[in-house]
Amino acid sequence: SQQGEEDPQALSIQEGENATMNCSYKTSINNLQWYRQNSGRGLVHLILIRSNEREKHSGRLRVTLDTSKKSSSLLITASRAADTASYFCATKVGEGAQKLVFGQGTRLTINP
Amino acid sequence: DTEVTQTPKHLVMGMTNKKSLKCEQHMGHRAMYWYKQKAKKPPELMFVYSYEKLSINESVPSRFSPECPNSSLLNLHLHALQPEDSALYLCASSQTAVRRHNEQFFGPGTRLTVL
Repeated sequence: SQQGEEDPQALSIQEGENATMNCSYKTSINNLQWYRQNSGRGLVHLILIRSNEREKHSGRLRVTLDTSKKSSSLLITASRAADTASYFCATKVGEGAQKLVFGQGTRLTINP
Repeated sequence: DTEVTQTPKHLVMGMTNKKSLKCEQHMGHRAMYWYKQKAKKPPELMFVYSYEKLSINESVPSRFSPECPNSSLLNLHLHALQPEDSALYLCASSQTAVRRHNEQFFGPGTRLTVL
């Protein structure tokens, strides 16, 4: 079963605008991670937020975490064409937290 | 070197063929993973190797056979695959499997087509 669900499934915005993606999860977590995947390629780790953190920044990325609502959001500010990609949230589950389970992902398109 | 490499990039095989996918990392990571990703879907975990031992098999059919010859290499042997096995196969590594707050580093994947 999916641990994370994301919305929207697809998002198309103009270059320079901000993009917000949301992720909801089901079970308690130690941390939540966000990954980016350019079309048909490997995933790149963007940011990790621990369960005791509420907000984290990395460059143009801002991630929030609300453990009471079991949700997280990823904000990309001042979007660029190069930000066009799929974005996945992921959490570690299972015995020893060895398994990384991904949400369905948001396909982001930045229009020039 | 923070790179995970995978070969080949593309593979086309018949249902009776035997082929292997290869993954390599030189970051000193002791956990390595195989994922399968279908189009427009998230990656799904197949196998986890921790310290060269198989620690998780997500009920993957036996036509997929993983192998970890050493801490830097991970192979996925393929035999008698079905057309529905066509997908992007991703390899990843991390410092350890059980450490909670570590990230995974992914290779570019092998695009597999089964005819």
